[in-house]
Amino acid sequence: DAKTTQPPSMDCAEGRAANLPCNHSTISGNEYVYWYRQIHSQGPQYIIHGLKNNETNEMASLIITEDRKSSTLILPHATLRDTAVYYCILTEEYGNKLVFGAGTILRVKS
Amino acid sequence: GAVVSQHPSWVICKSGTSVKIECRSLDFQATTMFWYRQFPKQSLMLMATSNEGSKATYEQGVEKDKFLINHASLTLSTLTVTSAHPEDSSFYICSARDFGWSTETQYFGPGTRLLVL
Repeated sequence: DAKTTQPPSMDCAEGRAANLPCNHSTISGNEYVYWYRQIHSQGPQYIIHGLKNNETNEMASLIITEDRKSSTLILPHATLRDTAVYYCILTEEYGNKLVFGAGTILRVKS
Repeated sequence: GAVVSQHPSWVICKSGTSVKIECRSLDFQATTMFWYRQFPKQSLMLMATSNEGSKATYEQGVEKDKFLINHASLTLSTLTVTSAHPEDSSFYICSARDFGWSTETQYFGPGTRLLVL
């Protein structure tokens, strides 16, 4: 079973920031938080990952709370092409499988 | 990011035939690849872990004699669905693990849609 909890769906206006929450209250010390997204009929796309510190790359920012029990993925300026299912996944540093939960369906609307 | 390809992107076959799906890591070497299956409106389910030069590890409930996996090189893994039946119709996705400087990340292929008639 997935060890994360995400809202089933969210809407966001085009051009605004999309903030996708993820709860992982049972996270262990050596588990990373990974985010992937899956656009309809495609394979999942890696977005970002982090351990404790906030991370930013060209796609998104990842904010992890100090107690690491929750995190937020931020898409700073959502576009229609960001409409997808977003998955928050915990996994250890090396050698481990990804367990996909139901994810959050993000709908970006014009 | 690293690129993973799959071939074919879609395939239609008759019941009872076998279908082979290829997964390639194009710009990195992958000692481990993973095979997933996704039914409509459901999430991805891991089927097996494919290790280069050794036997695959299958998840509980996945028939290893039906879903044959071969990882013959560091850039290629194949999944063969043997004696396919309509219930095997699904979206099959592979991923490959790329070791970065501190952690590893899985990169996914575009998927192969299988329809068994």
